[in-house]
Amino acid sequence: DTAVSQTPKYLVTQMGNDKSIKCEQNLGHDTMYWYKQDSKKFLKIMFSYNNKELIINETVPNRFSPKSPDKAHLNLHINSLELGDSAVYFCASSQTQGSSPLHFGNGTRLTVT
Amino acid sequence: DAKTTQPPSMDCAEGRAANLPCNHSTISGNEYVYWYRQIHSQGPQYIIHGLKNNETNEMASLIITEDRKSSTLILPHATLRDTAVYYCIVRAQGGSEKLVFGKGTKLTVNP
Repeated sequence: DTAVSQTPKYLVTQMGNDKSIKCEQNLGHDTMYWYKQDSKKFLKIMFSYNNKELIINETVPNRFSPKSPDKAHLNLHINSLELGDSAVYFCASSQTQGSSPLHFGNGTRLTVT
Repeated sequence: DAKTTQPPSMDCAEGRAANLPCNHSTISGNEYVYWYRQIHSQGPQYIIHGLKNNETNEMASLIITEDRKSSTLILPHATLRDTAVYYCIVRAQGGSEKLVFGKGTKLTVNP
């Protein structure tokens, strides 16, 4: 009954490859997010989607392309992976109305070699 | 950029109350104060949030000063499992608003 689930949990790949991370939420929320946590442990927002529409795009290289097939899913596709992409990626969701908090998944640890 | 200031680290004895302070002197009238924590490398966990009244739930209490320029998160009986990085965040009403994380406070609960 996990609320926000991400797959895979770990991803090890070589530079130049293309990879995807999947996220699903079963909370009925209408907004989903991707955050990146680097080696210095700073958590930074990358994207936000509301009802499948992109609403936040925070200066992220266009090698990163989020895709939201429906409001319960927000996937992250990364092209031409670079060493600097190594990080933990967290998906989150919330409800637009009111002061609904964000609920986070447990992260995907991406290692680019 | 984060709009909050927190001490980088704090220690607390197991079983005692942990009081984590946060300054948010530029908070706007429509901004809530949220507290999250991150245990090791798990996903950030929502703890509590409030606008101007004090709030309490099963995890913690949130005390917001009358001028709303600062707040304190209280864990009434800290356990070893409460060791984590605690983030205080201000965020406008409207669930699509992003959370901007600062550096947080590393709380260590000692036996």
